[in-house]
Amino acid sequence: GENVEQHPSTLSVQEGDSAVIKCTYSDSASNYFPWYKQELGKRPQLIIDIRSNVGEKKDQRIAVTLNKTAKHFSLHITETQPEDSAVYFCAASDDRGSTLGRLYFGRGTQLTVWP
Amino acid sequence: DARVTQTPRDKVTEMGQEVTMRCQPILGHNTVFWYRQTMMQGLELLAYFRNRAPLDDSGMPKDRFSAEMPDATLATLKIQPSEPRDSAVYFCASGSEGGGTDTQYFGPGTRLTVL
Repeated sequence: GENVEQHPSTLSVQEGDSAVIKCTYSDSASNYFPWYKQELGKRPQLIIDIRSNVGEKKDQRIAVTLNKTAKHFSLHITETQPEDSAVYFCAASDDRGSTLGRLYFGRGTQLTVWP
Repeated sequence: DARVTQTPRDKVTEMGQEVTMRCQPILGHNTVFWYRQTMMQGLELLAYFRNRAPLDDSGMPKDRFSAEMPDATLATLKIQPSEPRDSAVYFCASGSEGGGTDTQYFGPGTRLTVL
């Protein structure tokens, strides 16, 4: 099955700085890559996703890039704010030809943004 | 704003007892996933259903876990007998296959503690 690795496991930045989280995957058939944010005691919530036919996607201060050849994708958060502090999970989907398949998650990155 | 709901939110039980967790997917969603989150293993898939039929339950210990969808509005995850190593947060997620999106929406989770 798919194996997703995520780095770093913890990341501390000053408010206003950028944060980058990187993930690699093993299965070249994976074609959907979401990022989830999970605040303490809360549910994971989708913040951005990308499909393999796209190299980059942006949504305000958040962007995701995908390199299919190297099998890695990254989350970029610019102008970080204290409310960005949370655990971020990357995932890859084994959709088996469907539009919605199981997710394989990375181990998570604890992001702390200091005021 | 439609959301996945789960009950109970917290469950404390003793080893050997039966535990049943319930999930109500977002109305109209035809795919339901059960994930388990622990510090050691992270987020891992236990089972998932499409149109109430099980598609993959390879992540579930078959001897003690069972998952069903009695109808389109209810998914259940049962553990019998429970063991301390089952202590975790169990998340249900739902999505709409064929709905033009890959998004999985997570419920609030059931925090299970087995003493």
